[in-house]
Order: sequence, then structure tokens, then C-alpha cells
Amino acid sequence: DMKVTQMPRYLIKRMGENVLLECGQDMSHETMYWYRQDPGLGLQLIYISYDVDSNSEGDIPKGYRVSRKKREHFSLILDSAKTNQTSVYFCASSLQGEQYFGPGTRLTVL
Amino acid sequence: QQNVQQSPESLIVPEGARTSLNCTFSDSASQYFWWYRQHSGKAPKALMSIFSNGEKEEGRFTIHLNKASLHFSLHIRDSQPSDSALYLCAVMPNYNVLYFGSGTKLTVEP
Repeated sequence: DMKVTQMPRYLIKRMGENVLLECGQDMSHETMYWYRQDPGLGLQLIYISYDVDSNSEGDIPKGYRVSRKKREHFSLILDSAKTNQTSVYFCASSLQGEQYFGPGTRLTVL
Repeated sequence: QQNVQQSPESLIVPEGARTSLNCTFSDSASQYFWWYRQHSGKAPKALMSIFSNGEKEEGRFTIHLNKASLHFSLHIRDSQPSDSALYLCAVMPNYNVLYFGSGTKLTVEP
């Protein structure tokens, strides 16, 4: 069964702190994604990674950066988190057009 | 960038009803069209996809696509309480990027 994992599942940070969200997949998918989901806004693409060290900005990259040093692992970093980055973050990987999502990380920035 | 709009925002139907969810998109060159379903607190999961004009049926679910009208829809026959979820339509202009609508929240009452 195809599986995408995310850690941590819940995180509370103070404004200005750094945040690291981690994502893993065991399917050797080349393409991976980071989204955020806010009520009424659907899923907004933050970054897309086509493979190791091959990353592109999505629609809302400001305030975020990513790292992909191994195909199975994709990280989202928030340097100096802001309160408007409070959201649910989803990681996904894709195969033949279908995207497989992780369980999400609920991030609260106080 | 695609503009993907869903209607209605929310819908309450009785068990056994036929439910219709709508999605419009802005780029007529889009190639692939998806419906994802997200139960409360869970990850989005692909439900169905369609690539060419017409209709595709899988069990109680049917997708209609009309590229000329920039519209596709999801129809659920004999709706069940377990169908209660957020339904997200998505448009894929190429094999790697999905643009999501903001979702329709469906509630099926027993």
C-alpha cells in the first residue's frame, strides 16, 4: 500500500521561531509536493520537487523553503514563522498523475 | 495559473439521494481532471479522474466532462452517510501540477 508519512502531526510554535516539517514516502516517487490548506481556500501549492535537489516554487512560496536530499524525503522549512502561517500542511507524492497525500501537520504559530 | 471554482460550497442531502457537484476551470488546454475526497481530519484521496470529453462511471460515482464549456461534475447515486466529506475538484494542465478548487462540503443525513 502506497504510503506518505508526515512528522510531526501537531506543532505549536511562537512567532519568529524556525519550523521544520518532514515528509517521507516509500514508493520511490520522483515528484513530491507541499501544500497548505486553509478553510475556504482549498489546497494551495507551496513547492514542488521533481527529484533530489530539483525544486520549484508553487503558487505561494513566500516565507517557505524546501530541501530534498534523498528521493524519499522532502522537508518544508519556515524561517522565522509568522502567525499567518498557521495552517494544515500536506505533503504529497505522485505517480502517473495521481497524487498521494500524507496525513497532514497542523501548525499553530502564536 | 488555473482558476478552478466549485459549487455549491456546501450541500446537505438525505440518504439515498442523487448528489451533483460542479467544477469550472479557466484553461481549455487542461489535460486531466480529478475529484478528490477528504473526510474530516484526514488526507485528501483521489476518487476518480477523466481525460477526455464524456462520462465515466465507477460504482455509484460518475464524472461528466465538457471541455468546451470548461466544466466537469461529479454525480453520486444513492448517497450514503459515509460519503459525507469535503470534495475537491482538481485540474491538471500537465502531468505534474494540480490546481484545486476550494471544495464542496457534502453532508448526507441518515
